Amino acid sequence: AQSVTQPDIHITVSEGASLELRCNYSYGATPYLFWYVQSPGQGLQLLLKYFSGDTLVQGIKGFEAEFKRSQSSFNLRKPSVHWSDAAEYFCAVSGGGYQKVTFGTGTKLQVIP
Amino acid sequence: DGGITQSPKYLFRKEGQNVTLSCEQNLNHDAMYWYRQDPGQGLRLIYYSQIVNDFQKGDIAEGYSVSREKKESFPLTVTSAQKNPTAFYLCASARGRETDTQYFGPGTRLTVL
Repeated sequence: AQSVTQPDIHITVSEGASLELRCNYSYGATPYLFWYVQSPGQGLQLLLKYFSGDTLVQGIKGFEAEFKRSQSSFNLRKPSVHWSDAAEYFCAVSGGGYQKVTFGTGTKLQVIP
Repeated sequence: DGGITQSPKYLFRKEGQNVTLSCEQNLNHDAMYWYRQDPGQGLRLIYYSQIVNDFQKGDIAEGYSVSREKKESFPLTVTSAQKNPTAFYLCASARGRETDTQYFGPGTRLTVL
């Protein structure tokens, strides 16, 4: 069965500092990988996705993620965090097509001035 | 503007009453989904539909029912059989060709008193 682990429940960073959110997945074949962001009381917004090709994926709002097959990881990064990045971030995995998408439990990001 | 709408934003019901949550999309997407979100548990799939007049149970379908009579609409009924219905409910849709890239509505917070 596929699964996603986000080991950090809560992360605090200073504004302007770099950010890395961890995501490890379990899937038997080549996965489809996603990062979503959710502001309090809102729906999820897609930040970026990996289907194939270049393992470094660029997304919206200055985020990027790197797919590392050997480590079963898809970590999200941003070089300089803004106060507006404070939100909850979800990693997700799927097998493609009509297969189910499995979400991680989320990492809540707090940004301090 | 194209998008997914969920109404109402907040919903209060007495225990033992059925309640229906609305989800409408004008993105011309074939697939639609319902998720439940509880703190610290990520998103859990309730029901999904890949085409009009067809739907499948997700991981936690007990106590819920859906219908898909129109492509644009996928209402969710929370029945009195659902043991713990208080939660944040998210609707999503996806194109048939890229089903995995799900786009989310703003959510409905249901509180059962």
